[in-house]
Amino acid sequence: DAGVIQSPRHEVTEMGQEVTLRCKPISGHNSLFWYRQTMMRGLELLIYFNNNVPIDDSGMPEDRFSAKMPNASFSTLKIQPSEPRDSAVYFCASSSGLTGLGGYTFGSGTRLTVV
Amino acid sequence: DQQVKQNSPSLSVQEGRISILNCDYTNSMFDYFLWYKKYPAEGPTFLISISSIKDKNEDGRFTVFLNKSAKHLSLHIVPSQPGDSAVYFCAAPLFTGNQFYFGTGTSLTVIP
Repeated sequence: DAGVIQSPRHEVTEMGQEVTLRCKPISGHNSLFWYRQTMMRGLELLIYFNNNVPIDDSGMPEDRFSAKMPNASFSTLKIQPSEPRDSAVYFCASSSGLTGLGGYTFGSGTRLTVV
Repeated sequence: DQQVKQNSPSLSVQEGRISILNCDYTNSMFDYFLWYKKYPAEGPTFLISISSIKDKNEDGRFTVFLNKSAKHLSLHIVPSQPGDSAVYFCAAPLFTGNQFYFGTGTSLTVIP
């Protein structure tokens, strides 16, 4: 199993540009989560999907952020327009419905730098 | 509002000694807790968990203790090894499979 795959690993963009982060969850996992890691707030949940349907997007900081999951094997997180304060590491994670005590499986993250 | 808090951003320990990482929570409805470990440039990986019906869970060098009355849990690593140097996050879900609430992390450095 290749695990949760995120792309790109690093992204540097100019303020005002659109940024799209991509995630491929583990096959068979029906829940997908987008997290953002910052020094001040640690790991913040932005949005999560269950069976491709967005369940809770209350963590999405602003309307500039949007996420989609068109099918069970792909999700995107888009920021438009991007701002320097969006600079962070963005993680995607997936889990099966019966998470048990093992929690999620995280991807390696996308380090976003907005200059 | 942080429902899971890690008040120590960093900790340094000598190799071979005990590392104790602490975590406090506010929601008494949490029914289990997890610790994740994160190396630089990698995603967090699951380390150990504990159900709220237990007060201790041990896995090799790692033991998690839960004090429900104090809403406090701790991760003990004995003996600490340089390879344990990482950021440790505690986390709690309200319901199995639901979103997890993470602490801000504690960066552990084990000095050889």
